[in-house]
Amino acid sequence: GENVEQHPSTLSVQEGDSAVIKCTYSDSASNYFPWYKQELGKRPQLIIDIRSNVGEKKDQRIAVTLNKTAKHFSLHITETQPEDSAVYFCAARYGGSNYKLTFGKGTLLTVNP
Amino acid sequence: GAGVSQSPSNKVTEKGKDVELRCDPISGHTALYWYRQSLGQGLEFLIYFQGNSAPDKSGLPSDRFSAERTGGSVSTLTIQRTQQEDSAVYLCASSLGARETQYFGPGTRLLVL
Repeated sequence: GENVEQHPSTLSVQEGDSAVIKCTYSDSASNYFPWYKQELGKRPQLIIDIRSNVGEKKDQRIAVTLNKTAKHFSLHITETQPEDSAVYFCAARYGGSNYKLTFGKGTLLTVNP
Repeated sequence: GAGVSQSPSNKVTEKGKDVELRCDPISGHTALYWYRQSLGQGLEFLIYFQGNSAPDKSGLPSDRFSAERTGGSVSTLTIQRTQQEDSAVYLCASSLGARETQYFGPGTRLLVL
């Protein structure tokens, strides 16, 4: 099965700075990597995803990079704002399954004004 | 349109009692998932439905946990003889198909006293 490690568990930045969260996965056959944002007491919401045939994807201030050789992927948030404060979860879909997501344990991001 | 809904939003029960948690997926979504989120942990996969059948029940922690889905829509997760370690947030997600984006409900926060 798949195993996903996520670091750091907590991250505190000043407003305007960049934030980077990293995840590693164990199964080289994994082919889909979404990132979810969960605000306190709210449901997880997809913010960006990347598939294994792409090395980088951007959406405004958010970007995800994938290194298949090293089996890791990262979330980059630029020009952080207080409303970016939340828990961020990475996930990987195991190549042997077309549905099952394995999640990291989450990163609590705090953006200080 | 309406997103995934879950009920109840909060449930407090006594150890040994049975509980039922309900999930209403997005209309037309054939795939449905249950996850458990414990404090400080990631999302732990419990079960996957495709239509009314559950091809993967591998994440159910014990035989006290069961789930069903009827009419390809509503799903119920039942926990029998609840234990204190069952306390967690139970999240439901649905997707148009197995390989599509998973959309989460708001969760049911279960507390077993």
